[in-house]
Amino acid sequence: EPEVTQTPSHQVTQMGQEVILRCVPISNHLYFYWYRQILGQKVEFLVSFYNNEISEKSEIFDDQFSVERPDGSNFTLKIRSTKLEDSAMYFCASSEAGGTSYEQYFGPGTRLTVT
Amino acid sequence: SQKIEQNSEALNIQEGKTATLTCNYTNYSPAYLQWYRQDPGRGPVFLLLIRENEKEKRKERLKVTFDTTLKQSLFHITASQPADSATYLCALESGSQGNLIFGKGTKLSVKP
Repeated sequence: EPEVTQTPSHQVTQMGQEVILRCVPISNHLYFYWYRQILGQKVEFLVSFYNNEISEKSEIFDDQFSVERPDGSNFTLKIRSTKLEDSAMYFCASSEAGGTSYEQYFGPGTRLTVT
Repeated sequence: SQKIEQNSEALNIQEGKTATLTCNYTNYSPAYLQWYRQDPGRGPVFLLLIRENEKEKRKERLKVTFDTTLKQSLFHITASQPADSATYLCALESGSQGNLIFGKGTKLSVKP
């Protein structure tokens, strides 16, 4: 069964450093998402991406964040200058189409630890 | 602002019983509602989607109801098993592109 993959599974970085989290969505899916989950809290939407551009973003997704689909398979989330409060699980998700009539498939997540 | 409440943070039941989880929402009229399962340290896994014009949806031992008047969804697991132990998340769309807002989840523990 096709699945979303994410690398690395765990990333430790120092405050102020840049990190890139990588995702490979399911191949025939058209909509891509990033969510985060701070330990013990709810899953929060960050950004959605369609047709090579950002569709929507939350207020969490400020100028420190960017997303890119550099080729036909990868989807990346970059945090330019990490802060302690960026420590969280970051989940990539994809769906066949937009709108919630379509289920989203989530990856296993990248645990980001900022020290 | 839109708000989703999953009333119980934790629910403990005996194997074989029916688990019932509640999701309430305010300041919102969603066309769809979804339920996901999340195991510790893993990503959410889609379980069921129910539309506003559907009162009930079933899949194997799972059943979801959607009451748009009460602004509430109920999620049932019948004949529960220890393997059903996980956190169950209710989710609604927050944007036209299908962005989801999640409840905090209910952690279900099924004891043998």
